[in-house]
Amino acid sequence: QQQVKQSPQSLIVQKGGISIINCAYENTAFDYFPWYQQFPGKGPALLIAIRPDVSEKKEGRFTISFNKSAKQFSLHIMDSQPGDSATYFCAAGRGATNKLIFGTGTLLAVQP
Amino acid sequence: NAGVTQTPKFRILKIGQSMTLQCTQDMNHNYMYWYRQDPGMGLKLIYYSVGAGITDKGEVPNGYNVSRSTTEDFPLRLELAAPSQTSVYFCASSSRTSGSTDTQYFGPGTRLTVL
Repeated sequence: QQQVKQSPQSLIVQKGGISIINCAYENTAFDYFPWYQQFPGKGPALLIAIRPDVSEKKEGRFTISFNKSAKQFSLHIMDSQPGDSATYFCAAGRGATNKLIFGTGTLLAVQP
Repeated sequence: NAGVTQTPKFRILKIGQSMTLQCTQDMNHNYMYWYRQDPGMGLKLIYYSVGAGITDKGEVPNGYNVSRSTTEDFPLRLELAAPSQTSVYFCASSSRTSGSTDTQYFGPGTRLTVL
């Protein structure tokens, strides 16, 4: 019930292409769904986040699509660039403490 | 602002030794968290705090202890180090406000090896 399942484990995309990472959750009490970006040797940093009252949120080249009935959400990176090469984590949180349950991560490599 | 700072960056411990991982934030955040990151496993919550004097367990608290005597500091204590505690440890903080997306800001991490 507390798991967040993330796929794929790794992804190779050509420069200019679209990167898509998917996550699924089981607990319908989750009310906050962030995506974090992590570069080697660094801590994760928030990329974009969504709440379940909207189905899509876009910030620049990054878009979250959220499907409440399917309990799934995904990250789309448009016009992927080599600088986007990093590990991406989805997460889900709920309640006053907003404790986050993280997915297992996706290693993205954007080839020039 | 320095954000969230963690010390040390690296540490090697022998089995049975103890140590404290330090975490300090200068953003006046009330919420603080400790996570561990293992390869292929994502981040797992160890302990969290909603304010000075208040702490609670996360998903994987066994073998760890925390305290929160001030808003700024949230140290993580390992009492009897075991090889299973070899990991990268991240501290994070957030300012919980109603109706907002609650960004957790992460520190740079401490890489711990127990031999």
